[in-house]
Amino acid sequence: DIQMTQSPSTLSTSVGDRVTITCRASQSISSRLAWYQQKPGKAPKLLIYKASTLESGVPSRFSGTGSGTDFTLTISGLRPDDFATYYCQQYKSYPVTFGQGTKLEI
Amino acid sequence: QVQLQQSGPGLVKPSETLSLTCSVSGGFSDAYYWSWIRQPPGKGLEWIGYIFYSGSTDSNPSFESRVAISIDTSKRQFSLKLRSVTAADTAVYYCACRHSSGYYVSWAQGTLVTVSS
Repeated sequence: DIQMTQSPSTLSTSVGDRVTITCRASQSISSRLAWYQQKPGKAPKLLIYKASTLESGVPSRFSGTGSGTDFTLTISGLRPDDFATYYCQQYKSYPVTFGQGTKLEI
Repeated sequence: QVQLQQSGPGLVKPSETLSLTCSVSGGFSDAYYWSWIRQPPGKGLEWIGYIFYSGSTDSNPSFESRVAISIDTSKRQFSLKLRSVTAADTAVYYCACRHSSGYYVSWAQGTLVTVSS
């Protein structure tokens, strides 16, 4: 299975900050990477797919880059609603696998 | 837009079978893979399996053939059965709608299933 490693595990931030979360795959996954946002007690929500394509309705302050093994999710101008846990997911190889999550906290 | 709603018991005894059902509104078709994913308390996400509209299925080998997924297109539902559960199967279980590429476009609210006697 492809291992997905996110860093950091926890990030202390503030409203208005620009934050970057990294996701690294144990082997190349081309651009077959998605990012999700999960709030406590809720299901994950798709933010980005194909590494950089914003899902419909997702604010433009979210952006994704990368290909191969290294990917980033950037949130420009953090808002209170953005404090959540973020997961990456590869869908290049069977079985699909997720990162362990990055929690944004104040 | 696809919306999903799960149902099923939140408590299952060890060695018994966990059963959950997911009801779909909007877009229940062969455009998607109808999937199950779980999340142990405080942990990450794990893909369990999926069923295609035609009835073909696939599941994560880590579940060692304990998984059965079925579909009832007339009721717009698909279901998960996980046999011989142990405490390690305690998790929030989600049904989700997977795009043909492999990412999950819509999720249900989740069901916390606790395995305990």
